[in-house]
Amino acid sequence: SYVVTQPPSVSVAPGETARIPCGGSDIGSKSVHWYQQNPGQAPVLVIHYDNDRPSGIPERFSGSNFGNTATLTISRVEAGDEADYYCQVWDTPTNHYVFGSGTKVTVL
Amino acid sequence: QVQLQESGPGLVKPSETLSLTCNVSGDSIIYYYWSWIRQSPGGGLEWLGYIHYSGSTKYNASLKSRVTLSLDTSKNQFSLKLKSVTAADTAVYFCARGGRRYGDYSFDFWGQGSLVSVSS
Repeated sequence: SYVVTQPPSVSVAPGETARIPCGGSDIGSKSVHWYQQNPGQAPVLVIHYDNDRPSGIPERFSGSNFGNTATLTISRVEAGDEADYYCQVWDTPTNHYVFGSGTKVTVL
Repeated sequence: QVQLQESGPGLVKPSETLSLTCNVSGDSIIYYYWSWIRQSPGGGLEWLGYIHYSGSTKYNASLKSRVTLSLDTSKNQFSLKLKSVTAADTAVYFCARGGRRYGDYSFDFWGQGSLVSVSS
């Protein structure tokens, strides 16, 4: 089945830009969705279809997807952005929904 | 605003069946695909399966036929049954809304999650 990989952690200073990669074979041919999860809470969709922000999500959140890597970018990082972030794709051959292992973003 | 709420026992004995229900409010259940997703303690997200009111279902092959989803349009809710549970099934179980059409979609609304522990 399709595998997506994420680094366990990313650290960023306030005001800087965080980039969270999500790797997979030819992932650029798939749609990638991103979720933010705070401790003890349900995930929240922050980006869908590679770079589309749902209503209520700040413009600081953006996404890109090309080749073997999709990336969630958080600009002008704030303390409140500290959370776990998961990427998700649909694996067409198996009709399964696949999540990455998650990346913990730490704001220094 | 769409809201999802899981309910069910928080403790299940090994080898027994885990049962959870997700009540949906704010929209009709017939318009979307609905999924269960779980998260083991300190772990990542695992998609378990989806159901559509048309009767279409799909389950994660890793669960080896232990999972069954059902849907009740009259109550606007859907349910999860996971049989022959072990300690490895201890997790927070989320219900989530998928897309209107089959295939590639995100999960835009989630329940708050229901912690289920498997222990004797």
